[in-house]
Amino acid sequence: AQKVTQAQTEISVVEKEDVTLDCVYETRDTTYYLFWYKQPPSGELVFLIRRNSFDEQNEISGRYSWNFQKSTSSFNFTITASQVVDSAVYFCALSEAGYGGATNKLIFGTGTLLAVQP
Amino acid sequence: EAQVTQNPRYLITVTGKKLTVTCSQNMNHEYMSWYRQDPGLGLRQIYYSMNVEVTDKGDVPEGYKVSRKEKRNFPLILESPSPNQTSLYFCASSRVPPGYEQYFGPGTRLTVT
Repeated sequence: AQKVTQAQTEISVVEKEDVTLDCVYETRDTTYYLFWYKQPPSGELVFLIRRNSFDEQNEISGRYSWNFQKSTSSFNFTITASQVVDSAVYFCALSEAGYGGATNKLIFGTGTLLAVQP
Repeated sequence: EAQVTQNPRYLITVTGKKLTVTCSQNMNHEYMSWYRQDPGLGLRQIYYSMNVEVTDKGDVPEGYKVSRKEKRNFPLILESPSPNQTSLYFCASSRVPPGYEQYFGPGTRLTVT
């Protein structure tokens, strides 16, 4: 069965601290895709990154970095030198290629609420 | 600007009064889908469409209908809304699956009394 677990419900940090958001996934598919989305207080869902199961390279984009480890089924997200504008709910999601054809359904974790205090 | 739009953004209605939430994308995406977001339950897929005239059920389709007559539009129809359909609804689109990121609309907050 497919599942995404974000064990951290809420994290509070002070501005300029580094913070890592954890994501652990379960899937039986050998081909799958992992995503991170951001939901700021205004409510929209903003796409941050996509990774496929064959690409374990870590990625850095400005203050954001992602660590994908198939051995531990984890896809963690680190924000370096956090800022107040980073305050949001962050969702990790999984999509499977599927044996019967891809539905492209996103299986979301329950989200981590990040509060960055000034 | 590439975007997914939804209307209305907020809607309060009464039980049984048919309503439609519109969704439109300008990215020429083949794939479109609807999700609902509820506290404690997270985001769940309602319906999806792989292309024009091709739609299929997601995880929670009961009480909803969709249609895909044009590539850019994917309306969500509640024929007889009930209070348990009070939720935040998101429309999304992407390139042909598998594996492409989905771009979400701004959300529609629906309250059914």
